[in-house]
Amino acid sequence: LAKTTQPISMDSYEGQEVNITCSHNNIATNDYITWYQQFPSQGPRFIIQGYKTKVTNEVASLFIPADRKSSTLSLPRVSLSDTAVYYCLVINTGGFKTIFGAGTRLFVKA
Amino acid sequence: GAVVSQHPSRVICKSGTSVKIECRSLDFQATTMFWYRQFPKQSLMLMATSNEGSKATYEQGVEKDKFLINHASLTLSTLTVTSAHPEDSSFYICSASGTGVSGNTIYFGEGSWLTVV
Repeated sequence: LAKTTQPISMDSYEGQEVNITCSHNNIATNDYITWYQQFPSQGPRFIIQGYKTKVTNEVASLFIPADRKSSTLSLPRVSLSDTAVYYCLVINTGGFKTIFGAGTRLFVKA
Repeated sequence: GAVVSQHPSRVICKSGTSVKIECRSLDFQATTMFWYRQFPKQSLMLMATSNEGSKATYEQGVEKDKFLINHASLTLSTLTVTSAHPEDSSFYICSASGTGVSGNTIYFGEGSWLTVV
């Protein structure tokens, strides 16, 4: 299983773009990079998933370089409600078993 | 995205009793379900993996006789905490993957708070 490493915490202000980078050096061929958001006392919520290059949806973008050993979640113009813990997961489509890293605690200030 | 639902969201039980938490996939068939445990301000810790119709595979250090997992159908898995003690108090979260889910990903339930008194 690929291990992930993220910054423990980040601070930002409302309206700014936030980029959270995750390293996953031992990612395998059939692994997908997936990001989740978790609020206190709630289960993780799916944000975005990608395999390579760039993926964009209505809430975020995901940038993955060619070697796939890292990825960057980009949140455009964050608001106070984006204060949460963000987890980068490497999901193996062979069995979907995945181990959580520590996540990144994002704090958005007014 | 796909929907995974847990019930109950909160439960309080007396020490020594057993309590069951249900995890349902509402709009897809979950061939694999996972159970996690999370303590305050910590990350999720994988407890076990269950495949429909098979015995669950437990992570190292997780007592399989204490945390009974059943995955009898493609839409339901249950976690039963037997002879619960105060140290079992925690936030339990399930997740599921399987056919009909968009993308190669897993979806999580809302979580269940267990308090043992």
